Amino acid sequence: NAGVTQTPKFRILKIGQSMTLQCAQDMNHNYMYWYRQDPGMGLKLIYYSVGAGITDKGEVPNGYNVSRSTTEDFPLRLELAAPSQTSVYFCASTNRGGTRASPNYGYTFGSGTRLTVV
Amino acid sequence: AQKVTQAQTEISVVEKEDVTLDCVYETRDTTYYLFWYKQPPSGELVFLIRRNSFDEQNEISGRYSWNFQKSTSSFNFTITASQVVDSAVYFCALSEAGSSASKIIFGSGTRLSIRP
Repeated sequence: NAGVTQTPKFRILKIGQSMTLQCAQDMNHNYMYWYRQDPGMGLKLIYYSVGAGITDKGEVPNGYNVSRSTTEDFPLRLELAAPSQTSVYFCASTNRGGTRASPNYGYTFGSGTRLTVV
Repeated sequence: AQKVTQAQTEISVVEKEDVTLDCVYETRDTTYYLFWYKQPPSGELVFLIRRNSFDEQNEISGRYSWNFQKSTSSFNFTITASQVVDSAVYFCALSEAGSSASKIIFGSGTRLSIRP
């Protein structure tokens, strides 16, 4: 059981480049989320999805896009990278109720993607 | 709207001291969940505890204890006999059960440094 898998772990982008951060979960969770964590700060919600085909904006969606074509995958797209998008990105999922077997008892987080835009 | 406030930005104590991390939350929902996560220097988020709003019983797990008080909307975290390995950023978080999306909202974190 891999949980939530994020790729890549590290990436350096040049200003204006595009990239997709991948997130996959194998727990059949309907709810998935993307957060960013700026240096020395907490996590802010970028986008979320409550099921395949359904996505919605979070607190800081500008400059990002998402899609949810399957239950398992929730990629985050950066179209025109800017230095302000330098951050660590976390993907998370939940089955809403949570189980004691789930290591996060409700929410499972990926290990993060560290993105630097130069 | 839901909000989590961690007023202590940084705390530094000497090893073996007790330390309490404060967390105050705001929510209009009557059913909600509160969390604490630890983020060590390696960067991953480590789940510590989840509490339901209808269960105000305090919890102890080894050197860790949590004090949940609905009357003051607080969910404080105490580490007893702190150790250097406790050095990390600690996040308090809130999820409203009434939210259709079950979004989890984080506080800004408290950086805890334990000096040998």
